[in-house]
Amino acid sequence: EVQLVESGGGLVQPGSSLRLSCAASGLSLEGYAMHWVRQVPGKGLEWVSGISSNSGTIDYADSVKGRFTISRDNAKNSLYLQMNSLRLEDTALYYCSRSRSRKVIPGYFDDWGQGTLVTVSS
Amino acid sequence: DIQMTQSPSSLSASVGDTVTITCRSSQSISSYLNWFQQKPGKAPKVLIYAESNLQTGVPSRFSGSGSGTDFTLTISSLQPDDFGTYYCQQSYTTPLTFGQGTKLEI
Repeated sequence: EVQLVESGGGLVQPGSSLRLSCAASGLSLEGYAMHWVRQVPGKGLEWVSGISSNSGTIDYADSVKGRFTISRDNAKNSLYLQMNSLRLEDTALYYCSRSRSRKVIPGYFDDWGQGTLVTVSS
Repeated sequence: DIQMTQSPSSLSASVGDTVTITCRSSQSISSYLNWFQQKPGKAPKVLIYAESNLQTGVPSRFSGSGSGTDFTLTISSLQPDDFGTYYCQQSYTTPLTFGQGTKLEI
């Protein structure tokens, strides 16, 4: 059974940085694209970023482009999201998700972690 | 960006009913349409991928249809465990986008 476990969330001030991690077990992530999706509690789902299996293709939502950086370490079976210049509107539960595809597109979300909460507040 | 619009936003149904949720995309996405179920406090779970393919382990009472811009999720013989919020999502192009959700109460 695939298990994805996110970590690194917390309460930070606007303008701060955080690095989220997603560790996988039960399956090698090497052959799959990975994504970050966020959800404001009680609201809908928003795709944040995706990375192909070999890190050759990376894409971001416009709302985070230039501030967030997605990366992966296939040897450590892990995914990361470096979040800089955080804003109040970045407050959300951040999920990592495994695609069934090697590529960012088509973008599938087959397995999900339980999420890590990021709260940006002054 | 491709906008995904679901209807209805909420619905109430009874055990044994058949319910239909529709999803419309702002432009053609071929069959790159997926459906998710989310329960309170839990991560979303994929039900249907690529318009009509049932994810492994998902009961056959869930089915998907459509193509182009109009899609439907049908839940037959509704069960108590089917409550939750349902989302459609286009996997055709970035930014990947979701519908606003349909809350199903049993």
